[in-house]
Amino acid sequence: QVQLQESGPGLVKPSQTLSLTCTVSGGSISSGGYYWSWIRQHPGKGLEWIGYIYYSGSTYYNPSLKSRVTISVDTSKNQFSLKLSSVTAADTAVYYCARGGGGYNSPGYFDLWGRGTLVTVSS
Amino acid sequence: QSALTQPASVSGSPGQSITISCTGTSSDVGGYNYVSWYQQHPGKAPKLMIYEVSNRPSGVSNRFSGSKSGNTASLTISGLQAEDEADYYCSSYTSSSNVVFGGGTKLTVL
Repeated sequence: QVQLQESGPGLVKPSQTLSLTCTVSGGSISSGGYYWSWIRQHPGKGLEWIGYIYYSGSTYYNPSLKSRVTISVDTSKNQFSLKLSSVTAADTAVYYCARGGGGYNSPGYFDLWGRGTLVTVSS
Repeated sequence: QSALTQPASVSGSPGQSITISCTGTSSDVGGYNYVSWYQQHPGKAPKLMIYEVSNRPSGVSNRFSGSKSGNTASLTISGLQAEDEADYYCSSYTSSSNVVFGGGTKLTVL
């Protein structure tokens, strides 16, 4: 079955760029029909959708983070990635990659999730 | 986009039924049938329990059901079991093509 796994540094310095990769196994990102997404959860808090990339490369970002977010896809490696620039302590969170479905031009639900990775922003 | 409104906590005894509400606006919950619900146990990733208001993914117990009336969606869990104790989040597609989540509800099984 399809599985997602996040990877990347667990510690990032303030003002630097957070970079994470999600590797998809058991299925192809290029199969179409899904919004490959990033979602984060601040410690002890709720969920926040960051954005998605479609296999074709089209993207959509949460307006609240849009100026700092870039999501890209590498179909040859079956991976998609997140870059969040100019990070502060407020970006400390567990970051999840997820597969989105439904919706119109954004996901209506997320049916598969990675285990999540904690990223701490600290000097 | 403001987060959807959920009660901070609900509780129930084993065997009972509970309902968790999720209130939004006509631009999200009320405007689309793309409301979903997620269960999250401590230290684990969220798990999809209900999608498109009332559909259950394969493998999810039929004790879980969803509905919507106006700008408020609801998740009902019948025949409460100890394993249902978790945090529950609702989510909705929005008119600005965004995705918004609720603040989460902690379910305690007494």
